[in-house]
Amino acid sequence: EAEVAQSPRYKITEKSQAVAFWCDPISGHATLYWYRQILGQGPELLVQFQDESVVDDSQLPKDRFSAERLKGVDSTLKIQPAELGDSAMYLCASSMLEVYSYNEQFFGPGTRLTVL
Amino acid sequence: QKEVEQDPGPLSVPEGAIVSLNCTYSNSAFQYFMWYRQYSRKGPELLMYTYSSGNKEDGRFTAQVDKSSKYISLFIRDSQPSDSATYLCAIQTTYSGAGSYQLTFGKGTKLSVIP
Repeated sequence: EAEVAQSPRYKITEKSQAVAFWCDPISGHATLYWYRQILGQGPELLVQFQDESVVDDSQLPKDRFSAERLKGVDSTLKIQPAELGDSAMYLCASSMLEVYSYNEQFFGPGTRLTVL
Repeated sequence: QKEVEQDPGPLSVPEGAIVSLNCTYSNSAFQYFMWYRQYSRKGPELLMYTYSSGNKEDGRFTAQVDKSSKYISLFIRDSQPSDSATYLCAIQTTYSGAGSYQLTFGKGTKLSVIP
């Protein structure tokens, strides 16, 4: 069964350091999402890609966060510099795009980030 | 007011109990309603989705939508210890023409089913 892959699963870093997360969506899924989930909260969208283009990054803290999906397949989310408040689970999801229909989002296992 | 409100619990029930989980939402443009289950340290997985008002049943799980009240529910019958997880309601907006479908999640309700 196809799955969304993410790495690393866990990352511990010190504040002011740079971190990067990688996501490989399900093959054929044009839409890719990065979410942040703080403990005890639901996931919140950071950035959405359609193929290699950013569709929505309105909630992405652009002073420190960046995301790319250069070839429209896998994606990288980077934080530089990391702050204590960035400690959270970072989830990647992918979906097909069917207009005027339901688009199931499939989630990866997430990367648990701890900033010390 | 947040777009999706969900009581975070935690909720603890004995094995075999009927569980009721609920969310309210504010935007009448929402069209698709989902329940995700998330085990500890894992990503969310889709349990059920519904489109119209009414009930949808899948085994021990029933999803209910009342669009007039902007209220969605998930019922779990004969709950099992393996149902212990966080349950997230999520709502998808309709296609806006801007190439963007998005999910808005509730906070999640942590459920523990005690043997």
